[in-house]
Amino acid sequence: AQSVTQLDSQVPVFEEAPVELRCNYSSSVSVYLFWYVQYPNQGLQLLLKYLSGSTLVKGINGFEAEFNKSQTSFHLRKPSVHISDTAEYFCAVSPGGSQGNLIFGKGTKLSVKP
Amino acid sequence: EPEVTQTPSHQVTQMGQEVILRCVPISNHLYFYWYRQILGQKVEFLVSFYNNEISEKSEIFDDQFSVERPDGSNFTLKIRSTKLEDSAMYFCASSTTGSTGGYTFGSGTRLTVV
Repeated sequence: AQSVTQLDSQVPVFEEAPVELRCNYSSSVSVYLFWYVQYPNQGLQLLLKYLSGSTLVKGINGFEAEFNKSQTSFHLRKPSVHISDTAEYFCAVSPGGSQGNLIFGKGTKLSVKP
Repeated sequence: EPEVTQTPSHQVTQMGQEVILRCVPISNHLYFYWYRQILGQKVEFLVSFYNNEISEKSEIFDDQFSVERPDGSNFTLKIRSTKLEDSAMYFCASSTTGSTGGYTFGSGTRLTVV
């Protein structure tokens, strides 16, 4: 069975500082990896995804993530955050061969302070 | 940008009553999903729907739940005889290609069972 662990439930950071949100997964099969963002009172929006190929993937809003197979990690990074990045971020995996059922982590609340 | 629309945004129901949560997926999408998020917990997969039938379902999706695509545009989740523990945010999602395409999520319906 697959599982996703987001180690930090809350990450406070000052505006223009870099941020890394951590995600580790466990799976006995190959997986697709995703990061979603949820702004207050909104649905889940896809930030980026890793399916295959280059391990560094770039997404919307200046975010990027790096797939590390040996460490089973898919950490999300942004070099300089804005107040508008305040939201909850979810890491998710989709087991290879499924029709896309996502297994989510518990989420990390990013709080950007001025 | 195309959206997945969910109605209502918030529904309060009495324990034992039936509720129907409604979703309008993006028109050219072929895969449809329901997820739920109990307050403070992970987003959990409920069911996927493709080619007018359920393709996968989780252990949560028992006989109390059913899905339907009644008219080619709407996608509904019915919960019979609601229980207190059914209180959650329910998200609908749709996709063109299953997991590789990523999903478009709706804003969710917050169901409160009293």
